[in-house]
Amino acid sequence: DGGITQSPKYLFRKEGQNVTLSCEQNLNHDAMYWYRQDPGQGLRLIYYSQIVNDFQKGDIAEGYSVSREKKESFPLTVTSAQKNPTAFYLCASSTSQGNEQFFGPGTRLTVL
Amino acid sequence: KNQVEQSPQSLIILEGKNCTLQCNYTVSPFSNLRWYKQDTGRGPVSLTIMTFSENTKSNGRYTATLDADTKQSSLHITASQLSDSASYICVVSRESSASKIIFGSGTRLSIRP
Repeated sequence: DGGITQSPKYLFRKEGQNVTLSCEQNLNHDAMYWYRQDPGQGLRLIYYSQIVNDFQKGDIAEGYSVSREKKESFPLTVTSAQKNPTAFYLCASSTSQGNEQFFGPGTRLTVL
Repeated sequence: KNQVEQSPQSLIILEGKNCTLQCNYTVSPFSNLRWYKQDTGRGPVSLTIMTFSENTKSNGRYTATLDADTKQSSLHITASQLSDSASYICVVSRESSASKIIFGSGTRLSIRP
């Protein structure tokens, strides 16, 4: 998993609760990303950040929020506004050129 | 519309046999194409990356080809092993930009003993 860690591996949430997924990398990469993976579908980009203190919405940002206060960390908060949050969440990082992404092991979020 | 289509959706082969997975894309302008292997419940791991000028690249028993004219790529696995059971994802980048990346939905490969 190449220097990227995600925690927790499994997460259960009650409806109406916000939860935060952790992503840390020690690859000295400038860019970090959050993806959502659902069965039978390709990865979909939630948010990405190309530099500290800056981030951009991806294709499915509604109901999610992020911060990038440190180069190594890019936490994702799944808010109660996300109507269908049960999914597998993947964090990735890359150099600023973005030619190759390195992925973390993922967090499986289940809403009870 | 920028799309990446993979086929077949799933495939079952016997251990020791070869197989080929397909990827067709309509992404433009093209920057590079990557194949990833994703074990169940894990993050994807890069196998190969090819730019416009490269038409083949190998990584052990994995060989990827690229035809930029027809916008097709294939991943050939030789002498399959049980550990090859995974999803294989084709990823195409529109530019050398982090946000311009399009993922295929993957081929689920199962190797049977």
